[in-house]
Amino acid sequence: ETGVTQTPRHLVMGMTNKKSLKCEQHLGHNAMYWYKQSAKKPLELMFVYSLEERVENNSVPSRFSPECPNSSHLFLHLHTLQPEDSALYLCASSPFGGDTEAFFGQGTRLTVV
Amino acid sequence: GQNIDQPTEMTATEGAIVQINCTYQTSGFNGLFWYQQHAGEAPTFLSYNVLDGLEEKGRFSSFLSRSKGYSYLLLKELQMKDSASYLCAVRDDSNYQLIWGAGTKLIIKP
Repeated sequence: ETGVTQTPRHLVMGMTNKKSLKCEQHLGHNAMYWYKQSAKKPLELMFVYSLEERVENNSVPSRFSPECPNSSHLFLHLHTLQPEDSALYLCASSPFGGDTEAFFGQGTRLTVV
Repeated sequence: GQNIDQPTEMTATEGAIVQINCTYQTSGFNGLFWYQQHAGEAPTFLSYNVLDGLEEKGRFSSFLSRSKGYSYLLLKELQMKDSASYLCAVRDDSNYQLIWGAGTKLIIKP
């Protein structure tokens, strides 16, 4: 248990569906991240929020829409996804900047059919 | 460009020692992290190096040479539970974001 909780753990959705991934942390961190992890590829940073404001968006397609209502919660809204979007989606949190590590959730295994 | 290289897969024997290498070429540097990730689980923090030299934590040690853009993770007295992927990541000093390697899958055999 790392203090970062993601739900659901597994999700199968059709290309026309709309779904949301949820991440929650109670570590007192002020930065939260969404990463995409595909097989045998480096972790891809998708979004960074610091103090509930989006700091970075690494050219992610608009079919992924993040939301950070407060410093403890982060959502990733999904719509009209493609099969190549199937991957493990990891949420992480950290104190922004500094020398400390990020803490990861266990991820949501997403399959787009 | 930004690049982190580590071997895709390694195999070692229970009780032995294994060294996982990581080389990096990044525009900035503010520390190097090693994470462990078991299949289907969250990556968990193992070590952090920002100065040259060796950091030891029990059975695990991590080494850094900034001039060579090189790090390694050393695992001693290997146990079956050490079978996992090991991720190397460099923190960029311009935006404090982590640049990740693709991970090394370590297989431990009895």
